[in-house]
Amino acid sequence: GQQVMQIPQYQHVQEGEDFTTYCNSSTTLSNIQWYKQRPGGHPVFLIQLVKSGEVKKQKRLTFQFGEAKKNSSLHITATQTTDVGTYFCAESYGGSQGNLIFGKGTKLSVKP
Amino acid sequence: SQTIHQWPATLVQPVGSPLSLECTVEGTSNPNLYWYRQAAGRGLQLLFYSVGIGQISSEVPQNLSASRPQDRQFILSSKKLLLSDSGFYLCAWNWGLENTEAFFGQGTRLTVV
Repeated sequence: GQQVMQIPQYQHVQEGEDFTTYCNSSTTLSNIQWYKQRPGGHPVFLIQLVKSGEVKKQKRLTFQFGEAKKNSSLHITATQTTDVGTYFCAESYGGSQGNLIFGKGTKLSVKP
Repeated sequence: SQTIHQWPATLVQPVGSPLSLECTVEGTSNPNLYWYRQAAGRGLQLLFYSVGIGQISSEVPQNLSASRPQDRQFILSSKKLLLSDSGFYLCAWNWGLENTEAFFGQGTRLTVV
């Protein structure tokens, strides 16, 4: 079945450093969604990318969708301790069923 | 505005005991509803989804079942829990349209002992 591979599994950074997580698929993705899960919390939707080559920004977060729609990335500039958590990419499939297949996530820790 | 409620937040159950987790959504009608499970340190696995009352689809074979007795109520059950059922269970909903995000409940952390 469809799989969304996400790397790295863990990332430890010093506060102020940048962070990037990557999401890859062997097949063309219809879309990609990004979620953040704080420690002990539930996933919260961040953004969705649908178009080839799309780039979206949310303050220090930059999201990209590859030209071939087989990969995506989330980049955080100048990390802060509030960025700690696990970042998941997910593809929505099944049309209006809206089922999500998630990557295994990248757990980010930020050392102050 | 829409809200999703899931309870209980934590649960410790002995092996072989039954399970019932409940999830309700407010502020919308005819949502798609989902149950996900997250094993420790891992991603989210879709267990069940429902596009309407009484309509349940299972994504993976397992020891669990789901029901949707009302439009905005989704229940996850088991007759006899196994140790492997331990995990973080998340209920979610979306608008039932293509390319829409999911909204998750707070989750239930289940430990089977």
